[in-house]
Amino acid sequence: AQSVSQHNHHVILSEAASLELGCNYSYGGTVNLFWYVQYPGQHLQLLLKYFSGDPLVKGIKGFEAEFIKSKFSFNLRKPSVQWSDTAEYFCASCSGNTGKLIFGQGTTLQVKP
Amino acid sequence: DVKVTQSSRYLVKRTGEKVFLECVQDMDHENMFWYRQDPGLGLRLIYFSYDVKMKEKGDIPEGYSVSREKKERFSLILESASTNQTSMYLCASSLRAQGAFRGYTFGSGTRLTVV
Repeated sequence: AQSVSQHNHHVILSEAASLELGCNYSYGGTVNLFWYVQYPGQHLQLLLKYFSGDPLVKGIKGFEAEFIKSKFSFNLRKPSVQWSDTAEYFCASCSGNTGKLIFGQGTTLQVKP
Repeated sequence: DVKVTQSSRYLVKRTGEKVFLECVQDMDHENMFWYRQDPGLGLRLIYFSYDVKMKEKGDIPEGYSVSREKKERFSLILESASTNQTSMYLCASSLRAQGAFRGYTFGSGTRLTVV
């Protein structure tokens, strides 16, 4: 069955530190991959998505992710985090035409000012 | 902008009660979904629907049912609420054509506490 795994459950960084959140997916066929963010008290928002083409995807607010097919990975990165990046981050995948998003467990990011 | 509206932000219900969680979207989306969000478990799919009167089980359907009588409304029903159903419930909608690729729109969630 399709699954998504996020390696880090809780990450604490200081402002200006670099960020990398790990995500691995299990499905071996064609997948669409996503990162969502949920700021405290707000609804889920799409950060970025990958479906084909350039494996390095740029999203909103300076985030990017790299799709590495051989490693079944789609890690999220940001060169320099800000206090406002404090949020929960979810990796998700969708296979085929089902339209179903399968989410990872989520990573809580806390950025200290 | 597409809006997905969940009728209640917070709910407190007693064990054994029948609970209805309502979700309405205003952009004619075919697909609608119900997830529950729990710390350390992420979002898990309960039920989804691709069309009116159509429903399919997700990964954790036990203890839940759904109703989709109109395209814009997707209701989640807890037939007999139990304390292990205390959670945040999120509704989402998307267009049918490569729906997830185009992105889901999520509601703000309903935090349900069963006492």
